[in-house]
Amino acid sequence: GESVGLHLPTLSVQEGDNSIINCAYSNSASDYFIWYKQESGKGPQFIIDIRSNMDKRQGQRVTVLLNKTVKHLSLQIAATQPGDSAVYFCAEKYPPPLVSGGSNYKLTFGKGTLLTVNP
Amino acid sequence: EAQVTQNPRYLITVTGKKLTVTCSQNMNHEYMSWYRQDPGLGLRQIYYSMNVEVTDKGDVPEGYKVSRKEKRNFPLILESPSPNQTSLYFCASSLSPTREAFFGQGTRLTVV
Repeated sequence: GESVGLHLPTLSVQEGDNSIINCAYSNSASDYFIWYKQESGKGPQFIIDIRSNMDKRQGQRVTVLLNKTVKHLSLQIAATQPGDSAVYFCAEKYPPPLVSGGSNYKLTFGKGTLLTVNP
Repeated sequence: EAQVTQNPRYLITVTGKKLTVTCSQNMNHEYMSWYRQDPGLGLRQIYYSMNVEVTDKGDVPEGYKVSRKEKRNFPLILESPSPNQTSLYFCASSLSPTREAFFGQGTRLTVV
């Protein structure tokens, strides 16, 4: 498979444990946040998103927490399984400056965290 | 099946030889974009398109061109590839910039 990063932060957990992956975002104007999962040799896959007017959102086995005060985002995976092994990216989206007249809500990705689940 | 399809998956080419990487989506999405992924740098946006005939530069547009003549297709063009464009490229589409993006499988490009 493709290597997506040689110097990624890594998290190693035992199967069945809960995993917490953290992400610090950069722009206080960001209003939308997404977590993506990228398995070896594949493109990023959407996991869960959250808007800035929320501080928590739950999906199936996953929970995203948003702390706007410290610009921190976390992804919690319950009962981690070997199939969860992948690189996880957070992404933030913020609107273009009004003065620029631009239309691109910039989506900026973090560098990623490699999650390894040990059987 | 909803999907984003990129071709080719792998490409080795020589410096200066024009190439095109195709991207097609079947979800009637208006927003499409191209990213490159490099070790230690994560995903960086090259170009994006809000709709047919509407394209604009992302963070790293130098050396690339795009076109959006039809809603479903968003090809990435390298007029004169250079070794620093060796990378893993992803096309993505979404209903809007603030909705989840669907990514293609990636194109591994090597320029020698």
